[in-house]
Amino acid sequence: GDSVTQMEGPVTLSEEAFLTINCTYTATGYPSLFWYVQYPGEGLQLLLKATKADDKGSNKGFEATYRKETTSFHLEKGSVQVSDSAVYFCALRSYNTDKLIFGTGTRLQVFP
Amino acid sequence: SAVISQKPSRDICQRGTSLTIQCQVDSQVTMMFWYRQQPGQSLTLIATANQGSEATYESGFVIDKFPISRPNLTFSTLTVSNMSPEDSSIYLCSVTSGSLFEQYFGPGTRLTVT
Repeated sequence: GDSVTQMEGPVTLSEEAFLTINCTYTATGYPSLFWYVQYPGEGLQLLLKATKADDKGSNKGFEATYRKETTSFHLEKGSVQVSDSAVYFCALRSYNTDKLIFGTGTRLQVFP
Repeated sequence: SAVISQKPSRDICQRGTSLTIQCQVDSQVTMMFWYRQQPGQSLTLIATANQGSEATYESGFVIDKFPISRPNLTFSTLTVSNMSPEDSSIYLCSVTSGSLFEQYFGPGTRLTVT
Protein backbone atom coordinates (compact mmCIF):
# COMPACT_ATOMS: atom_id res chain seq x y z
CA GLY A 1 0.00 0.00 0.00
CA ASP A 2 0.89 3.67 -0.12
CA SER A 3 3.34 4.92 2.50
CA VAL A 4 5.46 7.88 3.58
CA THR A 5 8.94 7.72 5.10
CA GLN A 6 10.44 10.67 6.94
CA MET A 7 13.86 11.19 8.44
CA GLU A 8 13.92 10.59 12.15
CA GLY A 9 14.34 13.44 14.57
CA PRO A 10 14.94 15.37 16.51
CA VAL A 11 16.67 17.79 14.20
CA THR A 12 18.53 20.36 16.25
CA LEU A 13 19.70 23.59 14.62
CA SER A 14 20.91 27.02 15.55
CA GLU A 15 18.90 30.03 14.48
CA GLU A 16 19.52 31.05 10.84
CA ALA A 17 20.79 27.60 9.88
CA PHE A 18 19.60 25.81 6.73
CA LEU A 19 16.95 23.15 7.20
CA THR A 20 16.25 19.99 5.24
CA ILE A 21 13.78 17.34 6.35
CA ASN A 22 13.72 14.37 4.02
CA CYS A 23 10.50 12.73 2.90
CA THR A 24 10.07 9.91 0.40
CA TYR A 25 6.91 8.13 -0.60
CA THR A 26 5.56 4.99 -2.19
CA ALA A 27 2.31 5.28 -4.09
CA THR A 28 0.49 4.06 -7.14
CA GLY A 29 -0.61 6.66 -9.61
CA TYR A 30 -0.03 10.33 -8.95
CA PRO A 31 -0.55 11.31 -5.32
CA SER A 32 -0.80 14.80 -3.90
CA LEU A 33 1.85 15.64 -1.32
CA PHE A 34 1.64 17.79 1.79
CA TRP A 35 3.65 19.10 4.68
CA TYR A 36 1.85 19.77 7.95
CA VAL A 37 3.27 21.45 11.04
CA GLN A 38 2.23 20.88 14.64
CA TYR A 39 3.34 23.50 17.14
CA PRO A 40 3.51 22.49 20.81
CA GLY A 41 0.07 21.90 22.25
CA GLU A 42 -1.72 22.65 18.98
CA GLY A 43 -3.39 20.78 16.14
CA LEU A 44 -2.00 20.29 12.66
CA GLN A 45 -1.69 23.15 10.23
CA LEU A 46 -1.26 22.73 6.50
CA LEU A 47 2.13 24.24 5.65
CA LEU A 48 2.38 23.62 1.92
CA LYS A 49 1.31 21.25 -0.81
CA ALA A 50 2.06 20.05 -4.33
CA THR A 51 -0.35 18.19 -6.56
CA LYS A 52 1.76 17.13 -9.54
CA ALA A 53 5.32 16.34 -10.53
CA ASP A 54 7.77 19.27 -10.46
CA ASP A 55 5.32 21.47 -8.54
CA LYS A 56 6.97 23.50 -5.80
CA GLY A 57 4.94 24.27 -2.70
CA SER A 58 6.01 27.22 -0.57
CA ASN A 59 4.84 29.06 2.53
CA LYS A 60 6.45 31.05 5.35
CA GLY A 61 9.90 30.59 3.82
CA PHE A 62 9.52 26.81 3.59
CA GLU A 63 9.69 25.05 0.23
CA ALA A 64 9.28 21.52 -1.08
CA THR A 65 9.43 20.21 -4.66
CA TYR A 66 7.47 17.17 -5.87
CA ARG A 67 10.14 14.91 -7.43
CA LYS A 68 8.53 11.97 -9.14
CA GLU A 69 11.82 10.49 -10.38
CA THR A 70 13.10 10.16 -6.81
CA THR A 71 9.65 9.88 -5.17
CA SER A 72 10.62 12.63 -2.76
CA PHE A 73 9.17 15.80 -1.25
CA HIS A 74 11.91 17.19 0.97
CA LEU A 75 11.14 20.22 3.11
CA GLU A 76 13.68 23.07 3.10
CA LYS A 77 14.10 26.48 4.66
CA GLY A 78 17.06 28.75 4.16
CA SER A 79 17.16 30.32 7.61
CA VAL A 80 15.23 28.83 10.51
CA GLN A 81 13.94 30.75 13.49
CA VAL A 82 13.28 29.68 17.06
CA SER A 83 9.57 30.01 16.29
CA ASP A 84 9.89 27.22 13.69
CA SER A 85 10.40 24.69 16.48
CA ALA A 86 7.62 22.15 15.96
CA VAL A 87 6.88 18.68 14.62
CA TYR A 88 6.68 18.43 10.82
CA PHE A 89 4.64 15.73 9.10
CA CYS A 90 4.90 14.72 5.48
CA ALA A 91 1.71 13.24 4.03
CA LEU A 92 0.26 11.99 0.79
CA ARG A 93 -3.19 11.61 -0.61
CA SER A 94 -3.63 8.92 -3.20
CA TYR A 95 -5.16 10.00 -6.48
CA ASN A 96 -8.39 8.09 -5.94
CA THR A 97 -9.15 8.86 -2.29
CA ASP A 98 -9.44 11.71 0.19
CA LYS A 99 -7.58 9.84 2.92
CA LEU A 100 -4.22 11.17 4.06
CA ILE A 101 -1.30 8.90 4.89
CA PHE A 102 1.19 10.47 7.27
CA GLY A 103 4.85 9.95 7.93
CA THR A 104 6.05 9.50 11.48
CA GLY A 105 6.85 13.18 11.96
CA THR A 106 10.15 14.97 12.53
CA ARG A 107 10.70 17.16 15.54
CA LEU A 108 12.66 20.34 14.83
CA GLN A 109 14.33 22.22 17.66
CA VAL A 110 15.88 25.60 16.90
CA PHE A 111 18.07 27.25 19.48
CA PRO A 112 19.05 30.95 19.61
CA SER B 1 -10.01 27.08 4.48
CA ALA B 2 -12.33 25.71 7.16
CA VAL B 3 -12.39 26.61 10.85
CA ILE B 4 -12.88 23.59 13.07
CA SER B 5 -13.56 23.47 16.77
CA GLN B 6 -13.54 20.47 19.08
CA LYS B 7 -14.98 19.86 22.52
CA PRO B 8 -13.66 19.05 25.00
CA SER B 9 -10.11 20.22 24.46
CA ARG B 10 -8.89 17.74 27.05
CA ASP B 11 -10.28 15.30 29.58
CA ILE B 12 -9.14 12.80 32.15
CA CYS B 13 -11.38 9.75 32.35
CA GLN B 14 -11.52 6.53 34.33
CA ARG B 15 -11.16 3.19 32.64
CA GLY B 16 -14.40 1.56 31.63
CA THR B 17 -16.18 4.84 30.95
CA SER B 18 -16.99 6.51 27.62
CA LEU B 19 -16.28 9.96 26.25
CA THR B 20 -17.97 11.73 23.34
CA ILE B 21 -15.92 14.25 21.38
CA GLN B 22 -17.68 16.89 19.32
CA CYS B 23 -16.41 18.44 16.10
CA GLN B 24 -17.99 21.60 14.65
CA VAL B 25 -17.08 23.14 11.29
CA ASP B 26 -17.88 26.68 10.19
CA SER B 27 -19.04 25.58 6.73
CA GLN B 28 -20.79 22.64 5.15
CA VAL B 29 -18.43 19.82 4.21
CA THR B 30 -19.05 16.45 2.66
CA MET B 31 -16.35 14.38 4.29
CA MET B 32 -15.13 14.44 7.87
CA PHE B 33 -12.34 12.33 9.26
CA TRP B 34 -11.34 11.21 12.74
CA TYR B 35 -7.69 10.54 13.56
CA ARG B 36 -5.84 9.31 16.60
CA GLN B 37 -2.39 10.50 17.58
CA GLN B 38 -0.85 8.40 20.31
CA PRO B 39 1.86 10.02 22.46
CA GLY B 40 4.90 10.84 20.35
CA GLN B 41 3.44 9.10 17.32
CA SER B 42 2.05 10.01 13.94
CA LEU B 43 -1.60 10.23 13.00
CA THR B 44 -3.69 7.17 12.31
CA LEU B 45 -7.03 7.42 10.55
CA ILE B 46 -9.88 5.92 12.58
CA ALA B 47 -12.79 6.45 10.21
CA THR B 48 -14.35 8.58 7.51
CA ALA B 49 -17.78 10.04 8.19
CA ASN B 50 -20.12 11.15 5.43
CA GLN B 51 -23.42 12.78 6.20
CA GLY B 52 -26.33 10.43 5.77
CA SER B 53 -24.38 7.19 5.71
CA GLU B 54 -22.55 4.88 8.07
CA ALA B 55 -18.98 5.77 8.87
CA THR B 56 -16.24 3.78 7.16
CA TYR B 57 -13.69 2.38 9.62
CA GLU B 58 -10.04 1.64 8.96
CA SER B 59 -8.45 -1.67 9.74
CA GLY B 60 -8.04 -2.11 13.48
CA PHE B 61 -10.92 0.18 14.44
CA VAL B 62 -14.50 -0.99 15.04
CA ILE B 63 -17.83 0.74 15.42
CA ASP B 64 -18.53 -0.75 18.86
CA LYS B 65 -15.40 0.88 20.24
CA PHE B 66 -15.54 4.15 18.28
CA PRO B 67 -19.14 4.93 17.30
CA ILE B 68 -19.46 8.01 15.12
CA SER B 69 -22.42 10.22 14.37
CA ARG B 70 -22.75 12.66 11.46
CA PRO B 71 -26.18 14.27 11.77
CA ASN B 72 -25.52 17.16 9.37
CA LEU B 73 -22.92 18.74 7.12
CA THR B 74 -21.23 20.80 9.87
CA PHE B 75 -21.09 18.47 12.86
CA SER B 76 -19.83 15.06 13.95
CA THR B 77 -19.15 13.18 17.15
CA LEU B 78 -16.72 10.40 18.01
CA THR B 79 -17.30 8.30 21.12
CA VAL B 80 -14.46 6.39 22.72
CA SER B 81 -16.20 3.53 24.53
CA ASN B 82 -15.18 1.36 27.45
CA MET B 83 -11.89 3.20 27.71
CA SER B 84 -8.58 1.73 28.78
CA PRO B 85 -5.23 3.49 29.36
CA GLU B 86 -4.21 2.44 25.83
CA ASP B 87 -6.84 4.87 24.51
CA SER B 88 -4.90 7.82 25.91
CA SER B 89 -4.24 9.88 22.81
CA ILE B 90 -5.04 13.07 21.00
CA TYR B 91 -8.14 12.69 18.85
CA LEU B 92 -8.38 15.00 15.86
CA CYS B 93 -11.21 15.84 13.55
CA SER B 94 -10.47 16.96 10.02
CA VAL B 95 -12.36 17.98 6.89
CA THR B 96 -11.62 18.45 3.23
CA SER B 97 -12.41 21.86 1.86
CA GLY B 98 -11.93 23.84 -1.30
CA SER B 99 -11.51 22.88 -4.90
CA LEU B 100 -8.14 21.24 -4.23
CA PHE B 101 -9.55 19.09 -1.43
CA GLU B 102 -7.12 20.39 1.13
CA GLN B 103 -7.55 18.77 4.50
CA TYR B 104 -7.82 20.91 7.63
CA PHE B 105 -7.59 19.80 11.22
CA GLY B 106 -9.24 20.76 14.45
CA PRO B 107 -7.17 21.58 17.55
CA GLY B 108 -7.59 18.08 18.92
CA THR B 109 -8.93 16.53 22.12
CA ARG B 110 -6.28 15.30 24.51
CA LEU B 111 -7.62 12.26 26.36
CA THR B 112 -5.97 10.66 29.36
CA VAL B 113 -7.41 7.43 30.73
CA THR B 114 -6.46 6.43 34.27
